[in-house]
Amino acid sequence: EAGVTQFPSHSVIEKGQTVTLRCDPISGHDNLYWYRRVMGKEIKFLLHFVKESKQDESGMPNNRFLAERTGGTYSTLKVQPAELEDSGVYFCASSLSGTNEKLFFGSGTQLSVL
Amino acid sequence: GENVEQHPSTLSVQEGDSAVIKCTYSDSASNYFPWYKQELGKGPQLIIDIRSNVGEKKDQRIAVTLNKTAKHFSLHITETQPEDSAVYFCAAPTRDSNYQLIWGAGTKLIIKP
Repeated sequence: EAGVTQFPSHSVIEKGQTVTLRCDPISGHDNLYWYRRVMGKEIKFLLHFVKESKQDESGMPNNRFLAERTGGTYSTLKVQPAELEDSGVYFCASSLSGTNEKLFFGSGTQLSVL
Repeated sequence: GENVEQHPSTLSVQEGDSAVIKCTYSDSASNYFPWYKQELGKGPQLIIDIRSNVGEKKDQRIAVTLNKTAKHFSLHITETQPEDSAVYFCAAPTRDSNYQLIWGAGTKLIIKP
């Protein structure tokens, strides 16, 4: 069974540009989460989808971040326009249940904004 | 606000020795404590978890202990091996949600041959 896949693995962009990250969850997992880790710091929750609906987007930093999950399958996270402080590793995770247990993470996207 | 403090940030041990990583949480109502391991180039993977109704849980060479009174929990790895080298994260639930976790900052474990 395929795990959670994320694309791209790395992205280097200039301040002001747009970047779109993609996440394909494990098939059958209705719950999809986005997290971010800034270098050396804790992993922080960004938002949670249940199927195609945003269950909780309280962790989204500001309105430059837009997440979608059309059709309830894969999800995209767009940053527009990117700022220096957006640099970090963006993780996607999925789970069967909508609780905090047994999260399956992707390998992450390392975003560098120069 | 709620937080999880994790120590140390880096831990270097000789192969075969034991490693201990500690986390302290702030919400006394927390009832679930997972540990995740992130190997190089991969995402975090759940390796062990414990609920607040038990004080210790073991799985082969890894164990987690929980002290609810002191509000801290620890990961113990015995007979460390090169493949144990990774970043380890602890986490605890927030009081506002049944799916959000508050994470520690991570511990980079280095196993010296």
